[in-house]
Amino acid sequence: DVKVTQSSRYLVKRTGEKVFLECVQDMDHENMFWYRQDPGLGLRLIYFSYDVKMKEKGDIPEGYSVSREKKERFSLILESASTNQTSMYLCASSLTLDRDDYGYTFGSGTRLTVV
Amino acid sequence: EDQVTQSPEALRLQEGESSSLNCSYTVSGLRGLFWYRQDPGKGPEFLFTLYSAGEEKEKERLKATLTKKESFLHITAPKPEDSATYLCAVQAGTGRRALTFGSGTRLQVQP
Repeated sequence: DVKVTQSSRYLVKRTGEKVFLECVQDMDHENMFWYRQDPGLGLRLIYFSYDVKMKEKGDIPEGYSVSREKKERFSLILESASTNQTSMYLCASSLTLDRDDYGYTFGSGTRLTVV
Repeated sequence: EDQVTQSPEALRLQEGESSSLNCSYTVSGLRGLFWYRQDPGKGPEFLFTLYSAGEEKEKERLKATLTKKESFLHITAPKPEDSATYLCAVQAGTGRRALTFGSGTRLQVQP
């Protein structure tokens, strides 16, 4: 089974801190994604990456950046955390962006609270 | 802009009471429509991909169908363990090819 592992389940950070969320997948998937999930808003795409060192902005990239130096690892960076970035962050990976019979595999999420 | 709307927001059923969840969408050239299940405190888990109108897929008590404007997730004789949030997502055939998700339907099945 593909596994997507997010480094922390819960994080509490202070306003203005630089925050790193780490995600690792173990099945050689080309594509990796960061979403945030908020009640009533569903999952919203922050960034995704279709290859090492390649990235593409999603719907809500402001205040975030990403890094993909190795195929298996995709990091989300909050440059200066703010309270409106309190959320559940979900990382996912997928084999293909074409016809996809297997869908994305998600990690268990990181619940980030910014105080 | 791709959009996905799910209804109802929440649904409470008695065990054995069949029902359907709706997902309506607008997308530039549908590449695929996806259904996921999400349990509290966990990431979404993939259920189905549908590619073209008229297609159907089944898994245990779940059956997903697709038309040109919407998809239905039919739940037949549900059990309490089917309680979860069900998410619908679309992948466009042009432009950005990452999934766009709806906000989900929270299903509770009571014994």
